[in-house]
Amino acid sequence: GQQVMQIPQYQHVQEGEDFTTYCNSSTTLSNIQWYKQRPGGHPVFLIQLVKSGEVKKQKRLTFQFGEAKKNSSLHITATQTTDVGTYFCAGGRGNQFYFGTGTSLTVIP
Amino acid sequence: NAGVTQTPKFQVLKTGQSMTLQCAQDMNHEYMSWYRQDPGMGLRLIHYSVGAGITDQGEVPNGYNVSRSTTEDFPLRLLSAAPSQTSVYFCASTKRGPPNSPLHFGNGTRLTVT
Repeated sequence: GQQVMQIPQYQHVQEGEDFTTYCNSSTTLSNIQWYKQRPGGHPVFLIQLVKSGEVKKQKRLTFQFGEAKKNSSLHITATQTTDVGTYFCAGGRGNQFYFGTGTSLTVIP
Repeated sequence: NAGVTQTPKFQVLKTGQSMTLQCAQDMNHEYMSWYRQDPGMGLRLIHYSVGAGITDQGEVPNGYNVSRSTTEDFPLRLLSAAPSQTSVYFCASTKRGPPNSPLHFGNGTRLTVT
């Protein structure tokens, strides 16, 4: 079954509002990766977190990896219409990546 | 440098038909994988390969076969298509495999089984 859960499944925000998606695993992960998929497109790699408690920033995006390496979050400050898409986390363990169910973000201009 | 190339982009099959989804990469990646994407289910791993001649099952392997005779190619075979296999299929590759290398995805194949 699904080993990595992600919430919320959908999020609608007004342009300029903040957005956060959360990723939770039932088991400890080696690392966590985040991907973005535009409507009709394919997932594109955003970032990877490896260390417990790690925080990384990419412009308006902030990524965190939990202390126990079982959860992660992606926070977008002041959303823009270009942020529209589905955001997936993916946990690495063994020879497999386990993808979260994704959060679909809609930004209302 | 084309990256990961998937063909076809769209396919309609009748129940019971067989077909092969093609995937090729030109990045000399050792690890290749197939995912299916269904609404609300995220991306689920079907099969993967850590190198030529080596394949293994993922989360949802039933009804699918793979082979890896070369580093570049990783075809996915549907043996007898069923409506439950209606989905978007993505091939993805990475240099060294999980957990530390990012996946590069193809553009996907949208499959409908009637």
